[in-house]
Amino acid sequence: AQSVAQPEDQVNVAEGNPLTVKCTYSVSGNPYLFWYVQYPNRGLQFLLKYITGDNLVKGSYGFEAEFNKSQTSFHLKKPSALVSDSALYFCAVRTLTGANNLFFGTGTRLTVIP
Amino acid sequence: ETGVTQSPTHLIKTRGQQVTLRCSSQSGHNTVSWYQQALGQGPQFIFQYYREEENGRGNFPPRFSGLQFPNYSSELNVNALELDDSALYLCASSLNVDLYQETQYFGPGTRLLVL
Repeated sequence: AQSVAQPEDQVNVAEGNPLTVKCTYSVSGNPYLFWYVQYPNRGLQFLLKYITGDNLVKGSYGFEAEFNKSQTSFHLKKPSALVSDSALYFCAVRTLTGANNLFFGTGTRLTVIP
Repeated sequence: ETGVTQSPTHLIKTRGQQVTLRCSSQSGHNTVSWYQQALGQGPQFIFQYYREEENGRGNFPPRFSGLQFPNYSSELNVNALELDDSALYLCASSLNVDLYQETQYFGPGTRLLVL
C-alpha cells in the first residue's frame, strides 16, 4: 500500500527566510511525487513533480523540492518566503500499480509572517 | 488558472437527496478524476474516467457514480446523501491515462453541504 506523510500540520516562517515543508512517502516500486498548493476556497494548483532524473526539481513561483530515495522524502523548499506563499500545501504520490490516481498527504498549512 | 471548470460552486442538500456535480476538462485532456476533500483532510480519490469508461475506483460506495461524455466532460452523481458526504469535490483532468507521469490539473471544486 502507498502512503504519504506530512508530519507538520502547521509551519510558520518569517518573510524573507527560507522555508521547508516536509513530506515522506511509502510505496512499492518507483514513486512519482507531486506538490500542490491550495489557497482558500480554491482548487489545487500544481507546483512541481519528480518523475526521474535529477533529484532537485524546480517548479513554479520559486519553489523546489529534493527527492531523497534513501530517506523516502520529497521536501518542498523555497529560499526566501513571501507573505503570498501562505496557503495549504499537499504532497502526493502515484505509482505504476493500481489505479492511475494521486494519493495525498493530509496537508501542511504554511503561514509566512510579515 | 487551469482550464478545468466545475459547477456549481456551492450546493446545499438534505440527507437522502441526490446530487449531480459537473466538470469540464482542460482542452485536449481525455482523462478525468474525481476527488473528495473533507474539511481538514487531503483529497481522496473517488474514481477516474477515460474515454467514457471508469478506469479505476477508490474506496467509495456504489452510490457514488459517474459519467464521462464524448467531449470528455464528466459528472459525479451521489445518491442517498449522508451528512458525511459534506465536502469539497474536486475534478482533475490529465492528458493520457497511461502516462503515470502526467500532471493532473484541478478545477476550483464544488463545495457540498448536506443537512
